[in-house]
Amino acid sequence: GDSVTQMEGPVTLSEEAFLTINCTYTATGYPSLFWYVQYPGEGLQLLLKATKADDKGSNKGFEATYRKETTSFHLEKGSVQVSDSAVYFCALTGRRGNQGGKLIFGQGTELSVKP
Amino acid sequence: NAGVTQTPKFQVLKTGQSMTLQCAQDMNHNSMYWYRQDPGMGLRLIYYSASEGTTDKGEVPNGYNVSRLNKREFSLRLESAAPSQTSVYFCASLDRDYGYTFGSGTRLTVV
Repeated sequence: GDSVTQMEGPVTLSEEAFLTINCTYTATGYPSLFWYVQYPGEGLQLLLKATKADDKGSNKGFEATYRKETTSFHLEKGSVQVSDSAVYFCALTGRRGNQGGKLIFGQGTELSVKP
Repeated sequence: NAGVTQTPKFQVLKTGQSMTLQCAQDMNHNSMYWYRQDPGMGLRLIYYSASEGTTDKGEVPNGYNVSRLNKREFSLRLESAAPSQTSVYFCASLDRDYGYTFGSGTRLTVV
């Protein structure tokens, strides 16, 4: 079945450092890809998404490009802030009729940014 | 405020007790979902409801039941709680254009 694999955390960075969180997927067909963020004690919020190959999702300085040839959707940010400390989840939805729109999540990567 | 509301936020149960987690959305979404979140495992789908009147099993349905009471409400029931059901539970609803909206979660401990 479809699956998502993320790099293991926790990831600890200094403020203003460059961030990459790797995400690869296995899916039949052409899934939509997402990054969600979970701040401490809160639910998940959509950070960005891409619905087809070569699309780039971006939000709040974060970016991720849908790479079908490498089945990847790596999350990047050029300069992280303390307020970016959170758990980041990569996720996909399969094609309708195949997965029914259900989100399939990676295991999450905890990011801690130090001043 | 529009969104997904879950109750309760915290709950402690004894093994064998039953309880129902409530979820309601006011965005007129058709699809609703229940996930559980465990350390190192991401979120796993328990049950979902593609539309009012329908429910289907997800990845980890054992030990749970659901009810789609109406378009707004989708409840999750534990008939006989077990320590393995200690987790954080999230409800979500789906809009085809805007994606998923998650509730703030219910932290359940079974002792």
